[in-house]
Amino acid sequence: QVQLQESGPGLVKPSQTLSLTCTVSGGSISSGGYYWSWIRQHPGKGLEWIGYISYSGVTHYNPSLKSRVAISVDTSENQFSLKLSSVTAADTAVYYCANLYSYRFDYWGQGTLVTVSS
Amino acid sequence: QSALTQPASVSGSPGQSITISCTGTSSDVGGYNYVSWYQQRPGKAPKVMIYDVSHRPSGVSDRFSGSKSGNTASLTISGLQAEDEADYYCSSYTSSGPYVFGTGTKVTVL
Repeated sequence: QVQLQESGPGLVKPSQTLSLTCTVSGGSISSGGYYWSWIRQHPGKGLEWIGYISYSGVTHYNPSLKSRVAISVDTSENQFSLKLSSVTAADTAVYYCANLYSYRFDYWGQGTLVTVSS
Repeated sequence: QSALTQPASVSGSPGQSITISCTGTSSDVGGYNYVSWYQQRPGKAPKVMIYDVSHRPSGVSDRFSGSKSGNTASLTISGLQAEDEADYYCSSYTSSGPYVFGTGTKVTVL
């Protein structure tokens, strides 16, 4: 069974870049048909899809975040990463990585809280 | 890209059936049969309960069922149990996004 685990700083200063990595185990990130996604959840709020990347590097981002988001993949490490630039307090959230397969988010990481504060 | 609309809360007694609605537009829910539903317990990651409108992943109880009519999808939980108490989110593929989630519904078992 595929498992995902987020890692990265839990505290980021305003205007800086948030960087998170998701390590995939129990399966290859290069498996066809899968898209590797980032989703966030503001405290006490609903889910927001951020974007996804295929193993070959094809990306698609939420239009509302597109100007600040970059998702990359490292097949040799079986990892994919999120960078969100120019963060503000509004970017404080639990960030999840997830496996998108056939239009559903099948497997999720446990989530990591990122707080934006000086 | 607006969130899909769900009721904030739904409640029911053990053994009863409840239905959660998820309303979108013809660009998302109404345009594609790619609606999925997720259960999220406090402090946990979401878990897929229904995909492609009405299909259940292996291991999900058959008390959970999904349907769609026009721009509104629905999740029904029959034989409500205490363990069903959680937040539920719908999600749909969209022509623009391409993914959007619902506003979320808190299910309370009375």
